[in-house]
Amino acid sequence: DSGVTQTPKHLITATGQRVTLRCSPRSGDLSVYWYQQSLDQGLQFLIQYYNGEERAKGNILERFSAQQFPDLHSELNLSSLELGDSALYFCASSETGLREKLFFGSGTQLSVL
Amino acid sequence: AQKITQTQPGMFVQEKEAVTLDCTYDTSDQSYGLFWYKQPSSGEMIFLIYQGSYDEQNATEGRYSLNFQKARKSANLVISASQLGDSAMYFCAMREGSTGGFKTIFGAGTRLFVKA
Repeated sequence: DSGVTQTPKHLITATGQRVTLRCSPRSGDLSVYWYQQSLDQGLQFLIQYYNGEERAKGNILERFSAQQFPDLHSELNLSSLELGDSALYFCASSETGLREKLFFGSGTQLSVL
Repeated sequence: AQKITQTQPGMFVQEKEAVTLDCTYDTSDQSYGLFWYKQPSSGEMIFLIYQGSYDEQNATEGRYSLNFQKARKSANLVISASQLGDSAMYFCAMREGSTGGFKTIFGAGTRLFVKA
């Protein structure tokens, strides 16, 4: 068990809808990261938060947004969903530092129909 | 710009043999970290091994070792004595940044098949 909790595990929705993915980081970790993994592809970095502030941004679409709350949990909001947004969305957390490995949640499998 | 390249989409290895998974990276930073993660068919991401850009010795963790060649910007993973349970997707990753923020990017991955 990585200590990172993601909910829900599965989400099925329709095009044009909006969903919210939730992540609770490992106890003590201030950094939260969001990744998107499409079928048979690597992990695409979306965004990083540190102690409530956005610190690094990757290839995150404008339709997507995220935030980290004072209790350090994070939410990823996906709106105006398209078929191509269907993917496995991972949250990860880490301690601060270059040497720190990522602890991953089990992911949220999003299916847009 | 940061980039991780894994040129082997799929690899086969015989059980009990060693296998090398290739990874090259591109960065303009002097300080960075290199990681390998394993993703079994169950989907979870498992950390395997870490190498710092200033580490002079190649990292080892049990049956895993990282062949780090800084001048060539390569960080190949070597798995010795392959086991059936090693069949999985393997991702090379690079972490850069500072106290202002750290970003870890991943390669496209290599799917390893271990044959009995």
